[in-house]
Amino acid sequence: QSTLTQPASVSGSPGQSITISCTGTGSDIGAYESVSWYQQHPGKAPKLIIFHVSGRPSGVSSRFSGSKSGSTASLTISGLQAADEADYYCNSYAGSDTRVFGGGTKVTVL
Amino acid sequence: EVQVVESGGGLVQPGGSLKLSCAASGFTVSGAGMSWVRQASGKGLEWLGPIGGNANTVHAESVKGRFTISRDDSKNTAFLQMNSLEIEDTAVYYCTAWFEDLRMEVWGKGTTVIVSS
Repeated sequence: QSTLTQPASVSGSPGQSITISCTGTGSDIGAYESVSWYQQHPGKAPKLIIFHVSGRPSGVSSRFSGSKSGSTASLTISGLQAADEADYYCNSYAGSDTRVFGGGTKVTVL
Repeated sequence: EVQVVESGGGLVQPGGSLKLSCAASGFTVSGAGMSWVRQASGKGLEWLGPIGGNANTVHAESVKGRFTISRDDSKNTAFLQMNSLEIEDTAVYYCTAWFEDLRMEVWGKGTTVIVSS
């Protein structure tokens, strides 16, 4: 299983919007509507913030939104806040009950 | 409260074995989509595999043949049996539970495995 491709880092100022891309192939992101996004603060377990491409679990801020076009998924964080500074990982279903993670993106709030 | 708690991590020599446990509370492991994920220090997340409601399992290529996922419904616990451990298996191992109907996922705090001589 190959790793999905994410930018190593993305930064933005408070209040701005940023978008993190997650590029896969026609065998994972491009084939299924099953992309998840996770937020991980240092020393903490990951937290699910987006499921099924654009679904948001209860309690997750509406400032987080997900989308997909072809084999690329995206996570947008609007109204960037200091608390959003964390690592973000995408994850996609890849067929045959397998899943694959992206390499992770470090978000820095300037 | 719905939660999972991992245990069983520790220091093991290369070539050794370890069995991790994931104790569930507030739900039944047979009613959720359980999975194992690991993270080496300073590295990204690595999906290891799930155990579904019918106890079917899949293992990532990187651990296939060495790691085995299972569960014991009577103990409401999922397991990760790790054999032929390599230094590269050193990581924090997380257990997760996905609830499709609730659109919710819980993660444990993780258990640390160190493979070293």
